[in-house]
Amino acid sequence: EDKVVQSPLSLVVHEGDTVTLNCSYEVTNFRSLLWYKQEKKAPTFLFMLTSSGIEKKSGRLSSILDKKELFSILNITATQTGDSAVYLCAPNPPRGGSNYKLTFGKGTLLTVNP
Amino acid sequence: DVKVTQSSRYLVKRTGEKVFLECVQDMDHENMFWYRQDPGLGLRLIYFSYDVKMKEKGDIPEGYSVSREKKERFSLILESASTNQTSMYLCASRPEAIYEQYFGPGTRLTVT
Repeated sequence: EDKVVQSPLSLVVHEGDTVTLNCSYEVTNFRSLLWYKQEKKAPTFLFMLTSSGIEKKSGRLSSILDKKELFSILNITATQTGDSAVYLCAPNPPRGGSNYKLTFGKGTLLTVNP
Repeated sequence: DVKVTQSSRYLVKRTGEKVFLECVQDMDHENMFWYRQDPGLGLRLIYFSYDVKMKEKGDIPEGYSVSREKKERFSLILESASTNQTSMYLCASRPEAIYEQYFGPGTRLTVT
């Protein structure tokens, strides 16, 4: 069965710190990996990573995928209190067949204190 | 912008009641999903649908059923609500398997 493990499960930092969130997976075949941020309501999409070794950036957030070692990291630099959220990762299945579902990790709860 | 809406943000029901949770998306997406989210357990897939009238069980379908009569609407049904179904329910949709999912705002269901 496919498995997605995120670490750490929770993290408390101060504003201005840099954090690295990890996502490792045991998915035999996937097209891409997705990262989401979830505050008090629904998850919102952050990144979709399709190629190994190519960093994607959005402001203070960046992410990279290693398909060989089966993991991804999400970096947040100069954290702000607004970054406090649960961060979720999910390998995206290949197109075709009935394998349409995403398997989400349990998430990392990030708390940024002022 | 893609919009996924859910019929209620908060819902309180009694044990044994039949509960309908509705999800509507306005972007003509083929695929729609129902998840529940509980502390320590993350997001778990209940059912998904890849076309009108087509459905497949997710990881935790017991106690739930679904209906997809129209492309834009995906309903989750609790035939006889139980207290262990108290949870946050999230609906999502996406156009095809290669794209990200878009989530609705969630329904927090309490069964007493």
